[in-house]
Order: sequence, then C-alpha cells, then structure tokens
Amino acid sequence: EVQLVESGGRLVQPGGSLRLSCAASGFTFSTYAMSWVRQAPGTGLEWVSVFSGGDADTHYTDSVKGRFTISRDNSKNTLYLQMNSLTAEDTAVYYCAKGLGARAWYFDLWGRGTLVTVSS
Amino acid sequence: EVVMTQSPPTLSVSPGERATLSCRASQSIATFLAWYQQKPGQAPRLLIYGASTRATGIPARFSGSGSGTEFTLTISSLQSEDFAVYYCQQFNFWPLTFGGGTKVEIK
Repeated sequence: EVQLVESGGRLVQPGGSLRLSCAASGFTFSTYAMSWVRQAPGTGLEWVSVFSGGDADTHYTDSVKGRFTISRDNSKNTLYLQMNSLTAEDTAVYYCAKGLGARAWYFDLWGRGTLVTVSS
Repeated sequence: EVVMTQSPPTLSVSPGERATLSCRASQSIATFLAWYQQKPGQAPRLLIYGASTRATGIPARFSGSGSGTEFTLTISSLQSEDFAVYYCQQFNFWPLTFGGGTKVEIK
C-alpha cells in the first residue's frame, strides 16, 4: 500500500528539540521529493521544508532556517525533521508529503500527521 | 516571499450548484500553482497542479485555470463530499507558500 506514516510528535518545552520521522511505503522513495508541511491548530497550511529526490537539494521556510534540518535515509525509506530551539509558534500538526517527481514541489501523497506541542 | 491570497474566505453553495474559488499571487508565478482539498481531521488532497492539470483520480467536475497572478478553481456541480476547505499553493519561488484557504460550506 502506498502510504506515509509520521511519528515523533509530542509535548516538548520551549527551547527543546524533537526529531520527527516519516516512514514511506509502496513507492520508490529515493526518486521523489519529500516535504514537511505544518498546520497550527485552527489555521491553514504552512510549508516547512523539502528534500529533493535523486540529489541533496534542500529548502526551508525562513522561520525555521538554522533551527530545523531535513534529512532522508533512502535505505530505510524514511524522511526526518530535526527540530531545535522550539517555540510556541512551532506548535502544529506536521505532515509528511511526497512530491509528484524528484523536483516536483507539489504534493500528491500525504501522511495523517503528527502533533507537536511546544509548551511549558 | 510570494503571498497567496484566496477569496472569498467562505463560500456558501447549495448542492448541485457551481462554485468558483479565486487565488491571487503577489507576483507572477506563471502556471506553477496547485490546489488542494482538506476535510476536517484529514490530510490535504492534491486536486490540480500546473494550474489546470487534474491529479490522478480527481473527478472532472474540478477544473483549474489561470496564469501569472490570477487563478480559479471551479467545481461545476457541488456534491456533498466537496464541502471542505480548499488551498492554493505556488511552487515557482522559495519559500513555497499556501493561500489562507476558502471554506466551501453548505448553503
């Protein structure tokens, strides 16, 4: 079955760190761009980061640059998001999403999301 | 960054009627635009990419048009399962940006 399953979300204190994972199955993971998109409670979608397929091209939204790092392990079909120096503004459901191609920056498969709550 | 503005924020439509949703980019993005549908408690679903190409499995009642800065998503005859929030997303410039969404509700 073609699917993405996120994990790693939890309650974390401000200034803390967290690593999210996204396990992919049912497609050739290494050949597709993979992205993280978040949604704060009751609000719209915000793109966070993307990792191209086939090479190591990465991009971030400005608010997470220097704090978040996207990575992928193609041998494990898994995407990661290392999040450091977390603030309340990072509280959101984090979705993992698959691009339509190696350098397609729009997303045709999404996971169900994992909730990150930053609070003391 | 490219600001995506969607209008109206809420659209009240009766089943069977036509719905027209708008998305405006703060600068030209050619046709590097996608549309998504999101239902409560669910992940987004890709409807349209390249401004007008339907994604796999998307019914023909969904159509997209536009280029440059003005884009439209049209749902020709609303079905009960179409009541949801719709987002546009530009993928011409970094950072990728989404519009604020249009909620299509039952009139």
